[in-house]
Amino acid sequence: DVKVTQSSRYLVKRTGEKVFLECVQDMDHENMFWYRQDPGLGLRLIYFSYDVKMKEKGDIPEGYSVSREKKERFSLILESASTNQTSMYLCASSLAQNEQFFGPGTRLTVL
Amino acid sequence: DQQVKQNSPSLSVQEGRISILNCDYTNSMFDYFLWYKKYPAEGPTFLISISSIKDKNEDGRFTVFLNKSAKHLSLHIVPSQPGDSAVYFCAAEKTSYDKVIFGPGTSLSVIP
Repeated sequence: DVKVTQSSRYLVKRTGEKVFLECVQDMDHENMFWYRQDPGLGLRLIYFSYDVKMKEKGDIPEGYSVSREKKERFSLILESASTNQTSMYLCASSLAQNEQFFGPGTRLTVL
Repeated sequence: DQQVKQNSPSLSVQEGRISILNCDYTNSMFDYFLWYKKYPAEGPTFLISISSIKDKNEDGRFTVFLNKSAKHLSLHIVPSQPGDSAVYFCAAEKTSYDKVIFGPGTSLSVIP
């Protein structure tokens, strides 16, 4: 069974902390994505990656960075967390032009 | 400016009846459309898709209709079941570019 896992389901951090969100997929997919989901706004793309060491900005990259050192792992980094980054973060992976497989999400609260 | 719109934030339907979820898009370059379903505390799961060369795609109780001239697609669920209660996201992409644009979602409640 295909699987995308995220390191934490719930996370509480303080303003200014550096935050790492990890995502791992076991499907050998080239493409990986990070979204945030907020009420009324749907899923907004933060960053995506087509291959190892590659990254592309999505629609809302400000305040975030990413790392893809291995094909199966895509990390989202909040360099200095702020309260407006409180959200549900969703990781996904896909083959080209195919549906995305999502992880269960990480609910991040920044105090 | 939202490129993919779902103008109904919520929808309530009686069990056994038809659920119709609507989606509009603004970019005529989109050529592949998908619907995802999301339960609370879970990630979205793929439901059904349609290519722009078709106007209908059916999978069991789920049918997606595409009207390219109106830049409109709809998801029909017949018959609706209580387990269909979830948030439904419409999504669109261009073949040559793998970035997917999601709509804001419609919350469907199927009442027993």
